[in-house]
Amino acid sequence: NAGVTQTPKFQVLKTGQSMTLQCAQDMNHNSMYWYRQDPGMGLRLIYYSASEGTTDKGEVPNGYNVSRLNKREFSLRLESAAPSQTSVYFCASSEGGMRETQYFGPGTRLLVL
Amino acid sequence: QKEVEQDPGPLSVPEGAIVSLNCTYSNSAFQYFMWYRQYSRKGPELLMYTYSSGNKEDGRFTAQVDKSSKYISLFIRDSQPSDSATYLCAMSSYGNNRLAFGKGNQVVVIP
Repeated sequence: NAGVTQTPKFQVLKTGQSMTLQCAQDMNHNSMYWYRQDPGMGLRLIYYSASEGTTDKGEVPNGYNVSRLNKREFSLRLESAAPSQTSVYFCASSEGGMRETQYFGPGTRLLVL
Repeated sequence: QKEVEQDPGPLSVPEGAIVSLNCTYSNSAFQYFMWYRQYSRKGPELLMYTYSSGNKEDGRFTAQVDKSSKYISLFIRDSQPSDSATYLCAMSSYGNNRLAFGKGNQVVVIP
């Protein structure tokens, strides 16, 4: 089992460009999450999907959109990147709700110039 | 006041020492307490999970919860260089589908 995979591993964007971060899990989990991690700020939830077909905003959703394509895949889109979105992005999944064990991917490092 | 407070460190200890980490929180409804370990340039992984108050031990790791003081701790005995990582506390309450993370505490174990 690969667990949670994320692509790309690293990306450089110019301000105003768009991109989609991809995430897939092979554990048949119902819930999936997108976090961002910044120095001194810890992990902050951007969006989550409690089940296929549903998505909800987290703590810092502005500037992002998500799509739960199917049970395996959960993508995060930046429509018009800003330097403030420079961060490390982690996708995670869990069998049930947030307080169950979350399994994280390796992360995507994004630099917006 | 932040909902979850965690001293970011870094904390440097010699190999074999006991590492003591803690988090304080303000929400008395929290009942589920977790410690995640994150190696450099990797995603976090669950290390310990406790429900309500009390202690839980797993090998060299002990997690403690003191709900009366709103304080949780993680102890690492006989620390090894491989324990060098960032440790994040996280907590949740029943019926609330939300997980509150601390900022993480960097630990360096010096051989």
